[in-house]
This record gives sequence, structure tokens and C-alpha cells, in this order.
Amino acid sequence: AQSVSQHNHHVILSEAASLELGCNYSYGGTVNLFWYVQYPGQHLQLLLKYFSGDPLVKGIKGFEAEFIKSKFSFNLRKPSVQWSDTAEYFCAVNAGDTGRRALTFGSGTRLQVQP
Amino acid sequence: NAGVTQTPKFRVLKTGQSMTLLCAQDMNHEYMYWYRQDPGMGLRLIHYSVGEGTTAKGEVPDGYNVSRLKKQNFLLGLESAAPSQTSVYFCASSYSGGQGNQPQHFGDGTRLSIL
Repeated sequence: AQSVSQHNHHVILSEAASLELGCNYSYGGTVNLFWYVQYPGQHLQLLLKYFSGDPLVKGIKGFEAEFIKSKFSFNLRKPSVQWSDTAEYFCAVNAGDTGRRALTFGSGTRLQVQP
Repeated sequence: NAGVTQTPKFRVLKTGQSMTLLCAQDMNHEYMYWYRQDPGMGLRLIHYSVGEGTTAKGEVPDGYNVSRLKKQNFLLGLESAAPSQTSVYFCASSYSGGQGNQPQHFGDGTRLSIL
């Protein structure tokens, strides 16, 4: 079974600061990796995903993530955060080499951006 | 398109009462999922379905039942509600293509309180 660890539970940044949120997973086979964002009071929305090809993937709103297979990591980055990025961020994984589509989520990282 | 619609949005129950949460999607997705979201624990999979008439258990299925009589609907039932089931419940759906790399689309959630 897969598991996902997000070590940063709560991050506070000032506007224009750079962001990196950590995500590590445990699974030895092929994986599909996702970052979702949940703005206050809203449902989860997809930020970006990786399943093959270039390990550096770009998503919406200036976010990007890098898949490092040797480190079992898929960290989320943004060069300059805005107040509107205040939200909760979830890393998720499923096994690409099985028929299972259901996601295993990390516990989430709450990002607070101060103006 | 409405996407994924959950009803109701809020509900308060007494211990021992029963209720059904409805999820409807209009994207013709084969896969549907029910998750619960608890503080500090991310989203955990309760049950899922890979097609009409089929259901399967997820990580935390105890105390819940599901049915998928129609492709567009996925019902989550609580037969005898317990305070431990106080949570926010999210339904999601996804296309079956690829090897699980299709993103899941989420509903707005149902906030359920059990007294």
C-alpha cells in the first residue's frame, strides 16, 4: 500500500517569498503524483500532476513540482507567493502499475500568506 | 456542466440516526469515490466504485455502506451514526482512461455533525 508524508503542517510566508512544500511517498512501483489545493470553504482543485516524462511539471497559478524518483519525492514550488495562495495543499499518489485509481493523500499543509 | 454535486451540504444528526449522502456527476465518469476529511489527517478513502453496480472498500469503510445503481450517482449511507463519523465528506469522480493518471474531480463536500 502507498503512503504519503507531508512534513510541513503549517507554513506562514510573506507575499513575494518563495515556497517549497515537501511531499514524500512510499511505493516501489510506478506512481502517478498529484498536488491539489483547497481554498477556504471550497472543494479540492487540481494544481498539477505527474505520471511520466519530464520530471519537472508546471501547473496552474505559477506552481511547479519536481519528481525525484530516487528520493521518492514530489515537492511543490512557487517562486513568489501571493496572498491569494492562502489555502491547504495536499499531495496525493496512486499506483500506476495496478488497476487502482483511488488516491492516497498526505495530511496536508496549511499555507498562510501574509500581505 | 455542474461537475460533481453533493447533497446535502450540511447535516446534524443524533447518535443512532441514519442518513444517505448523495453524489451526482454529469461527466460520464466510470470511477467514483467517497472520502472523509478530518483535521490533520488529509482525505481518507471510505469506499469507491469502478462502474455501475460495483463497489469496493477503501481505507476506512466501517460504519458506511454505498451503492452505485446508476452510473452518475454514488450514495453513501450511515446506518447508525456515531460521533466518530463527524467529518466533512467529499465525493469525487474520474475517467477510467490511462493508468490512473486522470485527475479526480471533487464535489463541494458535506459537513456532517453527529451529536
